[in-house]
Amino acid sequence: GQNIDQPTEMTATEGAIVQINCTYQTSGFNGLFWYQQHAGEAPTFLSYNVLDGLEEKGRFSSFLSRSKGYSYLLLKELQMKDSASYLCAVRDPSSARQLTFGSGTQLTVLP
Amino acid sequence: DAGVTQSPTHLIKTRGQQVTLRCSPISGHKSVSWYQQVLGQGPQFIFQYYEKEERGRGNFPDRFSARQFPNYSSELNVNALLLGDSALYLCASSITGEREKLFFGSGTQLSVL
Repeated sequence: GQNIDQPTEMTATEGAIVQINCTYQTSGFNGLFWYQQHAGEAPTFLSYNVLDGLEEKGRFSSFLSRSKGYSYLLLKELQMKDSASYLCAVRDPSSARQLTFGSGTQLTVLP
Repeated sequence: DAGVTQSPTHLIKTRGQQVTLRCSPISGHKSVSWYQQVLGQGPQFIFQYYEKEERGRGNFPDRFSARQFPNYSSELNVNALLLGDSALYLCASSITGEREKLFFGSGTQLSVL
């Protein structure tokens, strides 16, 4: 099986930088995704990492260390609209077809 | 282009009843996956279909079943509903279902009373 851990809640101030961590324990690895989910809405894709290192996309960056089973999502220049749940998901190594999600980190951005 | 569409958006059922949820993937996407999201948790994989064939099944009882139609739309059926089936049911589509990002619909909120 797979175990994915991420903090339940985080709070940050508008304009600041926040880092959301995700650790995973799996028997193999086949890629890690980050999704954003606003309350009552569909999860939307943010980033995908399969190799070690940093992937940057505008205000959002994602980092992966496969040897440490660790990833983080970095959000810069926080805006109020960034208040949402952030989901870390690992692609199942035995099947490339399903994602195993963490419980999500609820980020609240304060003015 | 339309995204993944799901119907209905909300549904209230009582224990023991049966429910059918529907999903239309993004045009050109041939794979549909179903996930269950309990409040405060991440989505949990239920099924994946590609070209009308089941390609994956999560750890759910046989009360859960699904199918995919020739137009790639899909239905999720749940029989003998339990209170614990109350959740947001998400449908996701991708082109082939292999090593791709998923595009999610807004889900069907099922309440079992």
